[in-house]
Amino acid sequence: GQQLNQSPQSMFIQEGEDVSMNCTSSSIFNTWLWYKQDPGEGPVLLIALYKAGELTSNGRLTAQFGITRKDSFLNISASIPSDVGIYFCAGQLKETSGSRLTFGEGTQLTVNP
Amino acid sequence: DAGVIQSPRHEVTEMGQEVTLRCKPISGHDYLFWYRQTMMRGLELLIYFNNNVPIDDSGMPEDRFSAKMPNASFSTLKIQPSEPRDSAVYFCASSFDPPSTDTQYFGPGTRLTVL
Repeated sequence: GQQLNQSPQSMFIQEGEDVSMNCTSSSIFNTWLWYKQDPGEGPVLLIALYKAGELTSNGRLTAQFGITRKDSFLNISASIPSDVGIYFCAGQLKETSGSRLTFGEGTQLTVNP
Repeated sequence: DAGVIQSPRHEVTEMGQEVTLRCKPISGHDYLFWYRQTMMRGLELLIYFNNNVPIDDSGMPEDRFSAKMPNASFSTLKIQPSEPRDSAVYFCASSFDPPSTDTQYFGPGTRLTVL
């Protein structure tokens, strides 16, 4: 099956710093999604990407769908304490997997005030 | 708008007991997904439905697990008999029918502890 490698596994940063995390896949996807999960809650969709090369922003968040369709990154600029949480990437390839999403292992982000 | 609703939020039970988890998807969504999250295995898709019909149940661990969707606004995930290794957070998610959008919206989860 498809494998997603997400890195880094964890990050400890100071408030105001920029953050970057990425996901790579052993095979292609035609949709990339980025979710954030707060403690005790379900993942919440941050950004959805549907085209190779697409660059999308949502406030301080920017994500890109890699040209090869096998990778994606998420950047957070000027981090704030409420950015703390676990960030997941997820990929989908409808031709082979239908609506099934494959999730990365997650990046645990800690922001020190 | 109400999001995906799950109940109970927490469940503690003893090994061998039957457990039923419930989900109400977002109104109008055609797809419903059941996931399990553990530290060891991360987020795993168990089963998903389209228009109340199970489409892919290849992630269901074994026959002890069953899921139903009797109507568009309700689904259950049942474990019978439960085992300690079933302890996890179980999420329900729903989405619209592609191609309008197929991004999945998650519920708050049910934290299951099997003693």
